[in-house]
Amino acid sequence: DAGVTQSPTHLIKTRGQQVTLRCSPKSGHDTVSWYQQALGQGPQFIFQYYEEEERQRGNFPDRFSGHQFPNYSSELNVNALLLGDSALYLCASSFPGQVDYGYTFGSGTRLTVV
Amino acid sequence: GESVGLHLPTLSVQEGDNSIINCAYSNSASDYFIWYKQESGKGPQFIIDIRSNMDKRQGQRVTVLLNKTVKHLSLQIAATQPGDSAVYFCAENIGGSARQLTFGSGTQLTVLP
Repeated sequence: DAGVTQSPTHLIKTRGQQVTLRCSPKSGHDTVSWYQQALGQGPQFIFQYYEEEERQRGNFPDRFSGHQFPNYSSELNVNALLLGDSALYLCASSFPGQVDYGYTFGSGTRLTVV
Repeated sequence: GESVGLHLPTLSVQEGDNSIINCAYSNSASDYFIWYKQESGKGPQFIIDIRSNMDKRQGQRVTVLLNKTVKHLSLQIAATQPGDSAVYFCAENIGGSARQLTFGSGTQLTVLP
C-alpha cells in the first residue's frame, strides 16, 4: 500500500519564478494538507483541500495556491518566489471519518530558491 | 533578507536509558495532541497521540503525559535505541474537522552508544 507520494524530491528555482509541487495521497485518503518546514523549525500549515476545495488556510500569502483533482491528488503552486520560500514542503493526507486524526506525511519536496 | 533556521534544542542519552522530551503548547483551547518523529530526509511519522480529557497515554516503549494546567506535554521513551535518534515534534489541534496542526519547534534526540 503506497503512502503519500510527493514529486519532485528536490527542486532549485530562481527568485521571481513560479513552482508547482505535486502530491498523491495515501490510498483511501481524500483530504490533503500542505505544510512548509523551514530548516530547523517545525512544519507550518499552509492549507487543506477536501472535495476539490480549499477548506482551511494558514497564515500564508496569496502567492501560495493549490488545487485538488477528482482523484484526490493535489498541487501546491508558489508564484513570485522569494529566498525565504526555501524550505521542505510536506504533503499530508487523511480521511475525514477517522477518529484519530491520522495524518500520513510524505517525505517532502526540498525547494531551494537562489 | 534570507531567514535563518532556529537552533533546535538537543537531548543526548545513552543507549538503554530512558528519554524525556518536553513541549510547551500554545493554545489553551487545543484538545488533541500528537507526537511526531522526523528522521533526516523524511516526513514526520506519527508516534502517539492524546486527547485533552486524558493526562497519560502509553504505547509501545512510549508514554505521553499532558498537563493542561501549565500547557505542557512530555514524551517518554523507554530503553532508548539508536533508531530513536531523530527530531521529535509535538503538535496541537484546536478541534473541528479541518485538522490544522500547530507544531512546536522540535527537539533533536541523539542516542549515544
